[in-house]
Amino acid sequence: ETGVTQTPRHLVMGMTNKKSLKCEQHLGHNAMYWYKQSAKKPLELMFVYNFKEQTENNSVPSRFSPECPNSSHLFLHLHTLQPEDSALYLCASSQDETGTGELFFGEGSRLTVL
Amino acid sequence: DQQVKQNSPSLSVQEGRISILNCDYTNSMFDYFLWYKKYPAEGPTFLISISSIKDKNEDGRFTVFLNKSAKHLSLHIVPSQPGDSAVYFCAADGTSGSRLTFGEGTQLTVNP
Repeated sequence: ETGVTQTPRHLVMGMTNKKSLKCEQHLGHNAMYWYKQSAKKPLELMFVYNFKEQTENNSVPSRFSPECPNSSHLFLHLHTLQPEDSALYLCASSQDETGTGELFFGEGSRLTVL
Repeated sequence: DQQVKQNSPSLSVQEGRISILNCDYTNSMFDYFLWYKKYPAEGPTFLISISSIKDKNEDGRFTVFLNKSAKHLSLHIVPSQPGDSAVYFCAADGTSGSRLTFGEGTQLTVNP
């Protein structure tokens, strides 16, 4: 496997469910990111991890809980979500936080909250 | 306050013609700009970038122009091909870090 892979690609959940999104990067990068893409809106940065340490939480509600056990894996734990949380969640990685800005994205996890 | 704006949600051009995608920014601290391309059901992929010390960067059919005084950049695709049909995101970086600020995206459709 190469690049950044995300699972699941599609997820439908109820408002009371608990689920997790998984991201794995095979690029040897040290920084990983969660972005949210809603229709007709810019990509919104949610969380940044650098060398497994969270370096940014962009005022994300606590119903989204990230976890980064190592530099290659990033999770987004979801619980008691709202329908407006339905979106495409994109994971990305970069060499580290001080790079030239190029991010490598996964294919995204399309989340639908009923 | 949206710091990177792509005012055209969609653009349609004929195959072989030029596609021009525009992007405006408000933060004068931005010093590095990137374009990403996104096909349906795929993540965005890096296309081309430009540093604020330049006003033009060319890579094959793709050229990015930067007008710092106008805080405007544009992506030119010549000649346009049907495979270029995708959503194009403009992004800006104001530090040495990788916290990019993205625009809303422009859906480009190249008609055969």
